[in-house]
Amino acid sequence: QQQVKQSPQSLIVQKGGISIINCAYENTAFDYFPWYQQFPGKGPALLIAIRPDVSEKKEGRFTISFNKSAKQFSLHIMDSQPGDSATYFCAANFGASGSRLTFGEGTQLTVNP
Amino acid sequence: DTEVTQTPKHLVMGMTNKKSLKCEQHMGHRAMYWYKQKAKKPPELMFVYSYEKLSINESVPSRFSPECPNSSLLNLHLHALQPEDSALYLCASSRRIGTEHYEQYFGPGTRLTVT
Repeated sequence: QQQVKQSPQSLIVQKGGISIINCAYENTAFDYFPWYQQFPGKGPALLIAIRPDVSEKKEGRFTISFNKSAKQFSLHIMDSQPGDSATYFCAANFGASGSRLTFGEGTQLTVNP
Repeated sequence: DTEVTQTPKHLVMGMTNKKSLKCEQHMGHRAMYWYKQKAKKPPELMFVYSYEKLSINESVPSRFSPECPNSSLLNLHLHALQPEDSALYLCASSRRIGTEHYEQYFGPGTRLTVT
């Protein structure tokens, strides 16, 4: 019930392509879904987040799509660049859990030049 | 400004040593966290402080001892660690968004090696 399942585990994309990372959850109480980007040897950086009252949120080249009925959300990186090569974690939270985040297992993205 | 700072960047310690990790934020956030992260895994929550009081301890062994001296500082005291405690230790702080949710910001981490 508390899990967030993330796929794929690793992803290789050509420069200029679209990277898509998917997450699925079971707990319908989750109502806040952030994505984090982590470069090797660094801490995770908050990238973008969405709440279930919207189906899509876009910030620059990064878009979250949210499907409440399917209990799925995904991160799309448009025009992927080699500098986007990092590990991406989806996460979920619900109000009653306070500030506790449930993380997905992570996706290692490699963007080839 | 969303900066959380951590010192030291790297730490090597023996199993009988005592050391401390430090974390600082000046964003006025009233919740601060310690996480442990192993290679290729997501961060695992260890402790949460809310308004300088310990609110969550995720059954962490007593060889890890957190301390929150004030609203900007968070320490993690380490004693008698095991080699399996080697990991990246992350500090985070959060601000409330809306009425129920918290936006968490992570520091760069301390890479700890226990020999």
